[in-house]
Amino acid sequence: DAGITQSPRHKVTETGTPVTLRCHQTENHRYMYWYRQDPGHGLRLIHYSYGVKDTDKGEVSDGYSVSRSKTEDFLLTLESATSSQTSVYFCAISESTGAGYEQYFGPGTRLTVT
Amino acid sequence: SQQGEEDPQALSIQEGENATMNCSYKTSINNLQWYRQNSGRGLVHLILIRSNEREKHSGRLRVTLDTSKKSSSLLITASRAADTASYFCATASSNSGYSTLTFGKGTMLLVSP
Repeated sequence: DAGITQSPRHKVTETGTPVTLRCHQTENHRYMYWYRQDPGHGLRLIHYSYGVKDTDKGEVSDGYSVSRSKTEDFLLTLESATSSQTSVYFCAISESTGAGYEQYFGPGTRLTVT
Repeated sequence: SQQGEEDPQALSIQEGENATMNCSYKTSINNLQWYRQNSGRGLVHLILIRSNEREKHSGRLRVTLDTSKKSSSLLITASRAADTASYFCATASSNSGYSTLTFGKGTMLLVSP
């Protein structure tokens, strides 16, 4: 998976608790992304980062925050988890954006909010 | 809202047959990419076609792009059981100067031995 790890890989948590998912890369790529994947919706972009401390919102950012204090780490936080945030979360990286760059995906984190 | 929409949602074929999946999108794009996802795994990039290209090949994969119709197709020739996976198209467009990908819902391909 192109030097991308996600932790934890599986998590079960209760409604209202905070949850932080970690994405770690060893590729020194500038761009990092968090997606969620749900049946019937495909992948949807939550937040992305275009550099250390530089982040922006994606299509489904409500209820999520992110932080990137180092090039290699991108954290996704659910401040107060809800059942609607039960999903599989994927981190991705890319060397650049624009016309010619693909994204490389991590193995995913399966989150269940009960 | 989803930019890319794949068709069909599911496709079942025999080994050796060709598989064709289509993708339609709504707005102008910088490029279109196809990804593959095996069950329980992350997505893997297959091929990228730029907006000024019409056709691209990679091994048994052939991708076409028709920007006038806002559509793309992915052809897998001589399919194998190992090609069983979900296939997603993703369109790249610029947002605040940074290009992000918007994924479709995917086509599930089942190749039977």
